[in-house]
Amino acid sequence: QLQLHESGPGLVKPSETLSLTCTVSGDSVSSGTYYWAWIRQPPEKGLEWIGNIYYSGSTYYNPSLKSRVTISVDTSNNHVSLKLSSVTAADTAVYYCASWYSSGWYTNYFDPWGQGTLVTVSS
Amino acid sequence: DIQMTQSPSSLSASVGDRVTITCRASQTISNYLNWYRQKPGKAPKLLIYAASSLQSGVPSRFSGSGSGTDFTLTISSLQPEDFATYYCQQSYSTPYTFGQGTKLEIK
Repeated sequence: QLQLHESGPGLVKPSETLSLTCTVSGDSVSSGTYYWAWIRQPPEKGLEWIGNIYYSGSTYYNPSLKSRVTISVDTSNNHVSLKLSSVTAADTAVYYCASWYSSGWYTNYFDPWGQGTLVTVSS
Repeated sequence: DIQMTQSPSSLSASVGDRVTITCRASQTISNYLNWYRQKPGKAPKLLIYAASSLQSGVPSRFSGSGSGTDFTLTISSLQPEDFATYYCQQSYSTPYTFGQGTKLEIK
């Protein structure tokens, strides 16, 4: 059973870089079955897709964040990482990692998701 | 970007009621539409993919329909665990986008 678990600092200072890790269990990040995704949700607000990565290293980022985001895969540790630079208070959110399943006939979706981790940007 | 608009934004209903939530895309997305349920303090959970396909393990009281720009999620008989927030999401093109959410509350 595929499971994902996010970890990282809960507090980041403005202008610094947010760094999170998603530990994948139940499958290898390099199996090719899934893409791996990061999604965030500011407090009491909706969901925003940050980006996807395939094990080959191919990445797809939200243009609204592209200049500040790096998503990478660590196959040796079965991790997926997120880095977001030059953070401000607007980046305060619960950050989720999720698997992105893609196949034919309209079938593309995020499932499952990790439990999420709250990151607060504050001095 | 494709904008996803849900209606209503909030809804009050009772256990056993039938409810319908609507999602409209700003351009055609064929059947590339997913629905998620998010309970308070929890991660979203996939309910419906490809507009009308029920994800494995999801109760049959959930159903989805629509194509193109207009979609609906129907819950045939509300259960206590269904009082949550529901999101639609288009998977037609990046950036993948979500609706603003529909909060389903107990009447």
